[in-house]
Amino acid sequence: EVQLVESGGGLVQPGGSLRLSCAASGYIFNNYSMNWVRQAPGKGLEWVSYISYGSSLIYYADSVRGRFTISRDDAENSLYLQMNSLRAEDTAVYYCARDHHGSGFDWGQGTLVTVSS
Amino acid sequence: SYELTQPPSVSVSPGQTPRITCSGDALPKQYAYWYQQKPGQAPVLVIFKDTERPSGIPERFSGSSSGTTVTLTISGVQAEDEADYYCQSADNSGTSLVFGGGTKLTVL
Repeated sequence: EVQLVESGGGLVQPGGSLRLSCAASGYIFNNYSMNWVRQAPGKGLEWVSYISYGSSLIYYADSVRGRFTISRDDAENSLYLQMNSLRAEDTAVYYCARDHHGSGFDWGQGTLVTVSS
Repeated sequence: SYELTQPPSVSVSPGQTPRITCSGDALPKQYAYWYQQKPGQAPVLVIFKDTERPSGIPERFSGSSSGTTVTLTISGVQAEDEADYYCQSADNSGTSLVFGGGTKLTVL
C-alpha cells in the first residue's frame, strides 16, 4: 500500500523558513516523480513544485519560484520542500503527491503551515 | 499564467446526472485529471487521462473531452458524491501544472 506522510509544518513568522518532509513507503520511491501541492484555508488546490525521478527535471509555480526548493533523497525514500522568505499567503495545508506515471496523483494527508506574526 | 475554468457550484437531486466542465486552451494537447475532495480529507483521483477510471472508482463516474473543454459526468449521483471536484492539467509546455478553481457539488 502506498503511503505518503508529510511532516515539518507549523507556525512561522513572515520572512522565516521551514522545511517540509514527505516519507514514502509501499513502493519503489526512486521510480516515481513527485509533487508538492498546497491548499489555503477554504480555498482550492494549487500546484507548487515538481521533481522527476532522478531529479533531472524540477519545476516551480511562479508564486514560489526563487523562494522554495524541492529535493529528494532516494536512499531515504523522502521528498523535501525548503521554504524561505515565507509570506502570509503561503499559509496552507501542503500535500506531497506521487505522480503515477501520468495516471494521476496519490496523495498524503498533508501538513499545515501557518505564516503569522 | 495558464488557467483552468470550472463552475463554482453545481446542485442536483439524488439520481440525477450532473456534468462538471473544465475549460482551458491547452486541453486539446494535455491530458486532464479529476479529483474528488471531501471536507477534511486529501483529494482522491476519480478520472485520469481525460476518460480513464481508476480501479475502485464507481462506474457512475466518467470523463469526456471535446476541444478545449473536458467534462466529468456522474450518472445517477448519490448523496455520498457530495464533494468538491477539481480538474488538473498542464500548460502547453508541460512545465507548469495547474488545477481548476474547483466545483462544489451539492446533492440536495
